[in-house]
Amino acid sequence: QVQVVESGGGVVQPGRSLRLSCAASGFSFSSYGMHWVRQAPGKGLEWVAVISYDGSNEYYAESVKGRFSISRDNSKNTLYLQMNSLRADDTAVYYCAKDRTGARNQFDYWGQGTLVTVSS
Amino acid sequence: SYVLTQPPSVSVAPGQTARITCAENNIGSKSVQWYQQKPGQAPVLVVYDHNDRPSGIPERFSGSDSGNTATLTISRAEAGDEADYYCQVWHSSSVVFGGGTKLTVL
Repeated sequence: QVQVVESGGGVVQPGRSLRLSCAASGFSFSSYGMHWVRQAPGKGLEWVAVISYDGSNEYYAESVKGRFSISRDNSKNTLYLQMNSLRADDTAVYYCAKDRTGARNQFDYWGQGTLVTVSS
Repeated sequence: SYVLTQPPSVSVAPGQTARITCAENNIGSKSVQWYQQKPGQAPVLVVYDHNDRPSGIPERFSGSDSGNTATLTISRAEAGDEADYYCQVWHSSSVVFGGGTKLTVL
């Protein structure tokens, strides 16, 4: 069955970096766009970034543009999110989500999330 | 900026129909998705492309739109439907979520 499992979260000081990973299985990873979506404690969903199935296109939310970078390794069925210059308002659960049909920007499978806490 | 406006909360009695709205100018021209999120869990896609359901989602969940408003309708509401619901579209190379609606079944 389809699974996406995030890892790499933790507590990090403001200004530092962190890299999240998302291991995918149960589907043809290299055929689907993949997204990162986050949710601050007690708040709603906020989209972070998307990468196309082959890694040739990336789009970012304005709030993370220039600080975060999404990438993928199709040989390892793994999605990444490199987060630099972290701020307190980046504190959130970060979800990895699979696109429903390649590039429709609809999320049919989500991981359970990994918590990132930015605090001194 | 493109902002999807949802009511913060909606209440419904068991067995009745709940309607959750998502408003933005000309939303009917976009593909609208709805997600259900229960406490401590990841979101679940319940409606996509305005009114299609993924496998496993009951027919009680349906979507519609009219001009500037998209609506998620939950028929014969059950206690297990109590959750936060989010609408979502793709706009100008960005995913946009609504602010979310807490559905209470009482």
